[in-house]
Amino acid sequence: NAGVTQTPKFQVLKTGQSMTLQCAQDMNHEYMSWYRQDPGMGLRLIHYSVGAGITDQGEVPNGYNVSRSTTEDFPLRLLSAAPSQTSVYFCASSRQGFYYEQYFGPGTRLTVT
Amino acid sequence: ILNVEQSPQSLHVQEGDSTNFTCSFPSSNFYALHWYRWETAKSPEALFVMTLNGDEKKKGRISATLNTKEGYSYLYIKGSQPEDSATYLCAFLPSNTGKLIFGQGTTLQVKP
Repeated sequence: NAGVTQTPKFQVLKTGQSMTLQCAQDMNHEYMSWYRQDPGMGLRLIHYSVGAGITDQGEVPNGYNVSRSTTEDFPLRLLSAAPSQTSVYFCASSRQGFYYEQYFGPGTRLTVT
Repeated sequence: ILNVEQSPQSLHVQEGDSTNFTCSFPSSNFYALHWYRWETAKSPEALFVMTLNGDEKKKGRISATLNTKEGYSYLYIKGSQPEDSATYLCAFLPSNTGKLIFGQGTTLQVKP
């Protein structure tokens, strides 16, 4: 099992550009989520999904869109990147929800100039 | 806004020392408390998920306790080794929102 995979590992964007961060898991987990990690702060939840076709907002959803068409994939879209979105992004999955241990991907380091 | 605080922010110990750190969380609406270990250049990995007041969990030299009534959890490392160097994260799961709230982490450096 590959677990949770994320691409790309690094990305530099200019302000206003759009891009999609990819996340996939091969553990047949229902829950998937996106976090951002900024210096001096804990991981903050951006969006999450409880299953294919169902998504909801987390603590910091503004500027990000998600959709979940399959159990395996949960992409995160930045429609118009801003310097405030410079961060490290982690995707995570879990068996049935936040009650269970989260499995994290390797992260994507995004810089917006 | 629910706050999860971890202390200390960082600590340096010598190989062989035992150490502990704290995670403080709101004492109301408790559902679960997670501990993760996060090594540099890797992704966080789960250590424990704790759900009952008085819970004690152990994995090798690492153990954790939970007090939901007063809102804290301790993580203990016995006989620290250089490979224990990592950031240790706790995450609180309140029953009313059902979403994890992470602390900012405690970074442990173990000197050989």
